[in-house]
Amino acid sequence: DAKTTQPPSMDCAEGRAANLPCNHSTISGNEYVYWYRQIHSQGPQYIIHGLKNNETNEMASLIITEDRKSSTLILPHATLRDTAVYYCIVRVTQGGKLIFGQGTELSVKP
Amino acid sequence: KAGVTQTPRYLIKTRGQQVTLSCSPISGHRSVSWYQQTPGQGLQFLFEYFSETQRNKGNFPGRFSGRQFSNSRSEMNVSTLELGDSALYLCASAPGVQGGTDTQYFGPGTRLTVL
Repeated sequence: DAKTTQPPSMDCAEGRAANLPCNHSTISGNEYVYWYRQIHSQGPQYIIHGLKNNETNEMASLIITEDRKSSTLILPHATLRDTAVYYCIVRVTQGGKLIFGQGTELSVKP
Repeated sequence: KAGVTQTPRYLIKTRGQQVTLSCSPISGHRSVSWYQQTPGQGLQFLFEYFSETQRNKGNFPGRFSGRQFSNSRSEMNVSTLELGDSALYLCASAPGVQGGTDTQYFGPGTRLTVL
């Protein structure tokens, strides 16, 4: 599975969009980009995933660059409850382990 | 649909003892994975079970073992506990179907403290 690079921490004002970047320059053609978040001491929560097209669901949007070497998770209107560690993971679609890096600690401030 | 459940949620053991943790996956899911989370090492993959067979294994000593039952419920066992085994143990379930993305959904975890 490819490695990912994320900034260790970010701040965002409540109500503003939070844009979390992720670099995955060694991603393979059959690897998806997954995003999870973990609120302190809880189990990681699945957010969204994509292969090469941009994706949107009720929680967030995922923008993947055309060369697939990086992506951005967008939380359109961040709230205090979005304060968490966000993990970007690349993996093949079937089976296999999730390899978690250190993630980005997002702090949403009033 | 009910999520992944893990029991117990908290556990305190002493060095040398053994412990068994339980995980009930989302209904219909056939794959169960286990992860260990510690402040020093972060989230690390332990093993994955699919249809009662271990399909993937992480880099952990043989003291860590698991199994999966015919109803997809899974247990993991840690024998001869060490202080360093204190961690949050997370279980994740996935559909395990071919031809689609196999998104893993996590349970709340079991907090194990070894004294």
